Amino acid sequence: SAVISQKPSRDICQRGTSLTIQCQVDSQVTMMFWYRQQPGQSLTLIATANQGSEATYESGFVIDKFPISRPNLTFSTLTVSNMSPEDSSIYLCSVEDRQGYEQYFGPGTRLTVT
Amino acid sequence: KQEVTQIPAALSVPEGENLVLNCSFTDSAIYNLQWFRQDPGKGLTSLLLIQSSQREQTSGRLNASLDKSSGRSTLYIAASQPGDSATYLCAVRPITGGGNKLTFGTGTQLKVEL
Repeated sequence: SAVISQKPSRDICQRGTSLTIQCQVDSQVTMMFWYRQQPGQSLTLIATANQGSEATYESGFVIDKFPISRPNLTFSTLTVSNMSPEDSSIYLCSVEDRQGYEQYFGPGTRLTVT
Repeated sequence: KQEVTQIPAALSVPEGENLVLNCSFTDSAIYNLQWFRQDPGKGLTSLLLIQSSQREQTSGRLNASLDKSSGRSTLYIAASQPGDSATYLCAVRPITGGGNKLTFGTGTQLKVEL
């Protein structure tokens, strides 16, 4: 299994500002995933981040709003740009085990936009 | 398009009771199915992973079964404890395997009362 940490664990931000969320994994992984969980909802995949290439975004998510960096095989960042109250969610990063494709999640970042 | 449904949406049981959570999916072409636990405001903890060729997996008081042809999985929790109170999510991976988007159910919110 993989151990994943995220920073910050929570934040309260003002409308129009940006927040960068960090995700650190204790082992090298090819792909990292970023999810959003809006209040009372299940998880929605934002994008898949491969080291050394552009992230692949899901329908409804764009790079200008959610830029992602993946500088090495153990680290990634997700920025939530020009925030509005609708961005208030839990943001989670995850990785998958290459053998059985079991997926592991970080503790999440709880974002509130006022 | 894969759809995953979890029934019931919420469940309250007295401590010590055995219980079953249900997960159904519309497309049986899955690679695996994973059960997660989520505590309020937190990330997801992987509980059990069942590959498409398997019928069940067990871990401690948890047992997950998979009937791929009928599009169903169940999570059985024996001798429930207050510490089991959480939201339980199932997720299916499409048959092409790794790096592909998981489809999550909406979850079952479990409360185990003293």
